Amino acid sequence: NFMLTQPHSVSESPGKTVTISCTRSSGSIASTYVQWYQQRPGSSPTTVIYEDNQRPSGVPDRFSGSIDSSSNSASLTISGLKTEDEADYYCQSYDSSNLYVVFGGGTKLTVL
Amino acid sequence: QVQLVQSGAEVKNPGASVKVSCKASAYTFTNYGISWVRQAPGQGLEWMGWISAYNGDTVYAQNLQGRVTMTTDTSTSTAYMDLRSLRSDDTAVYYCATEQWLGSTLDYWGQGTVVTVSS
Repeated sequence: NFMLTQPHSVSESPGKTVTISCTRSSGSIASTYVQWYQQRPGSSPTTVIYEDNQRPSGVPDRFSGSIDSSSNSASLTISGLKTEDEADYYCQSYDSSNLYVVFGGGTKLTVL
Repeated sequence: QVQLVQSGAEVKNPGASVKVSCKASAYTFTNYGISWVRQAPGQGLEWMGWISAYNGDTVYAQNLQGRVTMTTDTSTSTAYMDLRSLRSDDTAVYYCATEQWLGSTLDYWGQGTVVTVSS
């Protein structure tokens, strides 16, 4: 199975832009879709990006996703940071060879 | 709106079994699969497996093979996750989530069920 590696934590000020990376250890990042989930303390995860760069209805357009084949990574970018964006963010993809859903280790976003 | 309502918290002794339920509403149950994901205290998300609510096909995470069984009851739109031979490192919050097909987005999540394994 491949792994997805995320930074343990990032921090940024309100109003700024932050990017969280998710690097795939083997196989192409473009071969299966990447999703991003937000998890606030004490709550269940919710989807903020699906299929690499699609936003579910209700998710503000401050959230965007992309993939970069040259670095074999996906990115979640949040612009115009708000204190309510403070949460853990997880990337997720699928190992189609081994029929396995893979999560990144999660990134704690602090907005201060 | 789509809802997944899970059963309540459980406390189990090591070696026991636990069965967590996940009742779905506001969508056609057999049109989606269900994935189970767990989260140990202070840790990240770990995928446990997936079941098709259409035909009952299952795929389990390798590290849980032989200890986990996932089932569905289409008459009540309920999914179940049974975990046996519990150990202390099975202590976690267990979530169900809709996943239309294996590898697609985990669209809607239950509220989570806390399972504590302790003697």
